[in-house]
Order: sequence, then C-alpha cells, then structure tokens
Amino acid sequence: NAGVTQTPKFQVLKTGQSMTLQCAQDMNHEYMSWYRQDPGMGLRLIHYSVGAGITDQGEVPNGYNVSRSTTEDFPLRLLSAAPSQTSVYFCASSTGGLAGANVLTFGAGSRLTVL
Amino acid sequence: GDSVTQMEGPVTLSEEAFLTINCTYTATGYPSLFWYVQYPGEGLQLLLKATKADDKGSNKGFEATYRKETTSFHLEKGSVQVSDSAVYFCAHAGGTSYGKLTFGQGTILTVHP
Repeated sequence: NAGVTQTPKFQVLKTGQSMTLQCAQDMNHEYMSWYRQDPGMGLRLIHYSVGAGITDQGEVPNGYNVSRSTTEDFPLRLLSAAPSQTSVYFCASSTGGLAGANVLTFGAGSRLTVL
Repeated sequence: GDSVTQMEGPVTLSEEAFLTINCTYTATGYPSLFWYVQYPGEGLQLLLKATKADDKGSNKGFEATYRKETTSFHLEKGSVQVSDSAVYFCAHAGGTSYGKLTFGQGTILTVHP
C-alpha cells in the first residue's frame, strides 16, 4: 500500500503564481485534511473533508482552496501565492467513526517556497 | 480557544537517559489526546493515544497518562536510544472534532551515543 502520496515534494513559486498540491490516498479513508507546518508553531489545519463532495475550513484557510470530487483525492490550491505561504504542507487521512477518525496517516510532506 | 502547549526544546540526551516531554492542553469537553512523532524527512505518525481520563497510552517503550485534573499528557521513556531522535508533537481532538487535531509546537529530541 502506498498510503498517502503527496506531490510535488519541493516547489518554488514567485509571488502571485498559483499552483496545486496533490494528495491521494489508497486506503479508502473517509476523512482527509491539509495542515501546514511552520517552525515553532506546530501543525495548523487549513482545510478538511469528511467525504467526497464535503469540505470545510480549518484554522488557517485564507489563500487556499480545496475540493473533494473522489474519495481518493484531495488537492490543495494556492490561488495567488504569497511569501507567508512558505511552509511545509502535510496531507493526512483517517477512517470514519469515533475510534479511527483522529488516528491520522500523513503523507511525506511538500515543501513550498514563495519568493 | 483550544490549544496544546509543549515544553520548549530542543532536548538533547545521552543514550539510555530518561526522557520526559511535558504537554498541557486547554479544551472544552473531554478530548482525546495523542503523541505523534516525525522522523527526519518523513510525515508524522501516531506514537500513542489516550481517549479518557486516567488512560495510559504506550508504544515502543514510550508512555503517557491522560491527567484530567492537571490537563496534562506528558510523554516519558525510561531509556532512550539514538533511533528515538525525532520531533515529538502532542495533540488533542475534541469529542466531535473527527479528524481535526490541534497540535502543539513540537519538541525536537536528539539522542547521542
């Protein structure tokens, strides 16, 4: 099993450019989420989804867009990149239900630099 | 609002030393508590969890006890190894926050031979 696959691993953008971080999971997990990791701040939730067609905002959603057209995929779109979006981005997934929903499986991360 | 506070790092220990990483939280209701670990170049993975007061989570020699009276979930290991060098994150999830975790800032642990 591949688990959670994120692409690309590294990306450099210029201010104002747009891009999409891809995330795919092959575990048939209901829940998927995007976090960003910044030094000294831990991980902060950007957007999450409880199933295909259902998404909602997390703690830091501004400047990001998501959609969930299939169970497997949960892409994160940066609409107009800003230097404040320089970060490491992690996609995560989990099963539904009380016992499994909070046991997250993470991807390896995507390091984004905005110049 | 909900938050998780971990002890300041980085922590540097010699092999076989005792490890404690402090974690306290603020939350409404009765959250589930977690420790996740991030090895160099990898994503986070679950180390252990506890879902109710006085529960003890344990895995790979690490332990943490859910202390509701002190709102704490300190991570301990009796004898660390070089392979334990990683970043450790404390996290909680509220009773209805399925899949939405609040993380602490992370503690870098380095173990020397």
